[in-house]
Amino acid sequence: EDKVVQSPLSLVVHEGDTVTLNCSYEVTNFRSLLWYKQEKKAPTFLFMLTSSGIEKKSGRLSSILDKKELSSILNITATQTGDSAIYLCAAIFDRGSTLGRLYFGRGTQLTVWP
Amino acid sequence: NAGVMQNPRHLVRRRGQEARLRCSPMKGHSHVYWYRQLPEEGLKFMVYLQKENIIDESGMPKERFSAEFPKEGPSILRIQQVVRGDSAAYFCASSPIPTGGYGYTFGSGTRLTVV
Repeated sequence: EDKVVQSPLSLVVHEGDTVTLNCSYEVTNFRSLLWYKQEKKAPTFLFMLTSSGIEKKSGRLSSILDKKELSSILNITATQTGDSAIYLCAAIFDRGSTLGRLYFGRGTQLTVWP
Repeated sequence: NAGVMQNPRHLVRRRGQEARLRCSPMKGHSHVYWYRQLPEEGLKFMVYLQKENIIDESGMPKERFSAEFPKEGPSILRIQQVVRGDSAAYFCASSPIPTGGYGYTFGSGTRLTVV
């Protein structure tokens, strides 16, 4: 079964809109949650979240982890066409030799129209 | 400092042929991870290697797939007797220490098409 679930699977917005992407994860042995942006090439790292309630920001992007709800959100404000990409959520679980392995959700395909 | 280098970028194989995918980690990175991304799906872990050792291969299909990371040279993911279902993007990531995620750098991937 999927350990990480993202929603929505796709999203189409206009430039200037604000979007919120969701990610939920399985609780057993959860350690950290990560967000990546994937254009037509390598996934690039955005954020790593380990502690609940602490927002991480980078420009127009921000993310926060809610351990009570077993979820995280990624916010993008004032979207631009360059934000069009697949946004991947991944989790790390503490399980001995699997430390280092990422469990990915299916991603959210974001399309920003001019 | 070059990033994680994967080659080839695109690979076309006929059913039954062998596919060899190469990954050169970033300088100083001794931990290599392979992931596969099937159409409409997220990345799925395949194997985690250190130099000359396979640490975790629990994500690898039991047949036809193998991986190595020799003392010298790139890591190789080998798929024997390819089938159409092997068509996917294969990504390699490397890190300097086995913490995962934060220290990862992904390569640009190899897109394998089986015809």
